[in-house]
Amino acid sequence: DSGVTQTPKHLITATGQRVTLRCSPRSGDLSVYWYQQSLDQGLQFLIQYYNGEERAKGNILERFSAQQFPDLHSELNLSSLELGDSALYFCASSVLTSGRAGEQFFGPGTRLTVL
Amino acid sequence: QKEVEQDPGPLSVPEGAIVSLNCTYSNSAFQYFMWYRQYSRKGPELLMYTYSSGNKEDGRFTAQVDKSSKYISLFIRDSQPSDSATYLCAMIAGAGNQFYFGTGTSLTVIP
Repeated sequence: DSGVTQTPKHLITATGQRVTLRCSPRSGDLSVYWYQQSLDQGLQFLIQYYNGEERAKGNILERFSAQQFPDLHSELNLSSLELGDSALYFCASSVLTSGRAGEQFFGPGTRLTVL
Repeated sequence: QKEVEQDPGPLSVPEGAIVSLNCTYSNSAFQYFMWYRQYSRKGPELLMYTYSSGNKEDGRFTAQVDKSSKYISLFIRDSQPSDSATYLCAMIAGAGNQFYFGTGTSLTVIP
């Protein structure tokens, strides 16, 4: 158990709908990352937050948005869903200090199916 | 050119074999190098974490980093069926920077 929690575990919805994925980082970790993993692609970095502020953006679609709240949990909002958005969505957290910059821990993921 | 290149495999070896997994990268600013293990679409699990060049050993696992060649390796000794998973390399320039992942190598260890 990495200490990173994600809810829900599974989500089935229809095209055009909007969903929210939730992540709670490990205790003490200030940085949260969101990734998308499709069957035919590797781990795609979406967005990073640090202590409530957006830190880096990757291949995140305009239909997707995220935020990190004062209690450090984060939410990833996916709207106008398309069939191609079906994937595993992982959240990861990191303490983000120089001595431990490489330590990033992943949650169990949310499996999104868009029908 | 991708930041990180990793042979996707699949790689199939008999139990007890030594496994070598490799990644190359293009960004000389990378200083932290990680290997993750991912079982059947579960969350990736941090296996090894190395700073700068050199070797790091942890049980049956050894991570090597050669910054001059921009090449990292993970060796698994006495491989076990439980090692069957996808192995992802990852790297980062420094604290607060974006993580870059390889596409993963699928490994099967046959009993």
